[in-house]
Amino acid sequence: KQEVTQIPAALSVPEGENLVLNCSFTDSAIYNLQWFRQDPGKGLTSLLLIQSSQREQTSGRLNASLDKSSGRSTLYIAASQPGDSATYLCAVNNNAGNMLTFGGGTRLMVKP
Amino acid sequence: EAQVTQNPRYLITVTGKKLTVTCSQNMNHEYMSWYRQDPGLGLRQIYYSMNVEVTDKGDVPEGYKVSRKEKRNFPLILESPSPNQTSLYFCASSSPRGNTGELFFGEGSRLTVL
Repeated sequence: KQEVTQIPAALSVPEGENLVLNCSFTDSAIYNLQWFRQDPGKGLTSLLLIQSSQREQTSGRLNASLDKSSGRSTLYIAASQPGDSATYLCAVNNNAGNMLTFGGGTRLMVKP
Repeated sequence: EAQVTQNPRYLITVTGKKLTVTCSQNMNHEYMSWYRQDPGLGLRQIYYSMNVEVTDKGDVPEGYKVSRKEKRNFPLILESPSPNQTSLYFCASSSPRGNTGELFFGEGSRLTVL
């Protein structure tokens, strides 16, 4: 059974710092991996989707990488801003269908 | 505006009283899914549907039913709710291209079962 772990569970940084959020998964036979942002009391917003054949995806200040063989993905946020404060979740889609497995999330606080 | 709409957003009910949480998407997505989110347990998939009249169990289907009679709607049914089904529920849908593209989520439905 796929297990997805996100470290750290919480992170507090000053504004302007570059930071890396980590996601690891136990079964490397994945179809794709997706990073989401969740604001308190809200639904999830998709940030980046990486197919299993891709190594990375970029959107603005965000860059997500994927290393299937080692079971890892990272989300890099450049020049963090207070508006980036939220919980970030990664989700892995396995090869057997559409069973998505979510990590527990990293709660990010960017201080002005 | 492209969106996934869930109703109700908040609900307090009592044990055993049947309820339905509706989910509707206006993006012509074939794939739809239900999740529950609990502190310390994260998001877990309840049921998903690849198309009309096609549904499959996720990780935690016990105590839930779903139906997919129309492409846009995917209601979640709790026939006899119990307190352990108190949770935050999310519906999601995705593009028909490929096997689960970008997922779009609803705003969530917070359910309390007394």
